[in-house]
Parts: sequence; C-alpha cells; structure tokens
Amino acid sequence: GAVVSQHPSWVICKSGTSVKIECRSLDFQATTMFWYRQFPKQSLMLMATSNEGSKATYEQGVEKDKFLINHASLTLSTLTVTSAHPEDSSFYICSATGTSYNSPLHFGNGTRLTVT
Amino acid sequence: GESVGLHLPTLSVQEGDNSIINCAYSNSASDYFIWYKQESGKGPQFIIDIRSNMDKRQGQRVTVLLNKTVKHLSLQIAATQPGDSAVYFCAEGTGGGNKLTFGTGTQLKVEL
Repeated sequence: GAVVSQHPSWVICKSGTSVKIECRSLDFQATTMFWYRQFPKQSLMLMATSNEGSKATYEQGVEKDKFLINHASLTLSTLTVTSAHPEDSSFYICSATGTSYNSPLHFGNGTRLTVT
Repeated sequence: GESVGLHLPTLSVQEGDNSIINCAYSNSASDYFIWYKQESGKGPQFIIDIRSNMDKRQGQRVTVLLNKTVKHLSLQIAATQPGDSAVYFCAEGTGGGNKLTFGTGTQLKVEL
C-alpha cells in the first residue's frame, strides 16, 4: 500500500539551531502534503498545507518564517524549524495525498523533535 | 471556531468485549469523517471512514455510525483485543479535500 516516510524519526538539537524534517511519498505522487504538530496527550494540530510547486498555506497562529515548508517535487516536502527553542519540542507528522479527487490521505510515522 | 471533540478521554474495556468510542463534531458542513488509531510514537493509522450520505459503514471488526442530526460519530470495535490499545481520533473534512480537523482523542485500554 501507499507509504509516507518521514526522516528523521527523532532528533535532538540545541536551542537556536535549525532542523529539517523530510516527508516522502514512496510509491505515489503527492500533490498535497500536510504538516501537523502534536504535543503529548493532545491531538494533531494542522500547521500548514503544502502544494507541489507553490507556497505553503499556513494555519492561523503558525509562524511561516519559523516553520519553513518546501514542496519542490511530487514526492518530497520538507519542514525546517528555524532557530528552534525548547517550546518547539513536539511530535511533527506529515501526511500526503495523491493527484485524484478523494485520494486517500497517508500519514508518516512522525518526527520527535527535542530542543535542549 | 468549528471543532471536533470527544466525550471520553479514556476508555477501559475487557478483552473480548465490544468498545464504543464517541465523537461530537460541530461543523455542519463536514461531509467526510474518518477514524484513526495512533499507537505511541507513531503516526495515525487509518481505520475506517464514512461520508455524510451514509449512516453506517462496516469494516473488519469495526463499525462507524454517523448521526448528522446530533452531529455525532461513533466507532465500534467488536471483540476488542490487546492490540487495539491505542489512542483513537476522529477527524472531519469537507468538500472531498484532505484538510482534516482532528478531535481530542480517546485512549483505549484493553484489560486482560
């Protein structure tokens, strides 16, 4: 079945540094990818919607200059957390959908980010 | 704003019993609903979905019921097994797109 891969699965970085998270669709072309953030014991909160070849659409309250999203190809989207701070520590999850209307949504296994 | 919420944060059931997880939604425009299972440290796993033109849909050991009158969604798991222990989220969407709003989640604990 369709697989979405995230890398890395976990990362620890120092405060002030930037971290890049990759989301790849392995066996289908993903025209749209979504990035979510999930704090412990909480639900998934949509951060942004990324369409291949265009600028991402950010949800209200999400800083686009802090969370840089690039979706340069139909199989790869990246989320870069710039100048990370401890409060950015979270579980980041991507999902991807294909080119057809009502294409199913596939989720990656998430990236655990810890900022020290 | 519109939101999706759950009544019970934690549900404990005995192995072999049936589980019912509930979800209330508030966006009357939502026409697509999905249940996801999330195990610790992993991404959401699709369980079953239903569109607003249906009231009930069955899968393997799972049934989703949709009551549009009261904006309520439920997930029934038959013969609950230890492997069903996880957090379950409902999610809603509109217009056939995949931009979803997730509910708060219910922790299902299966006791032996």
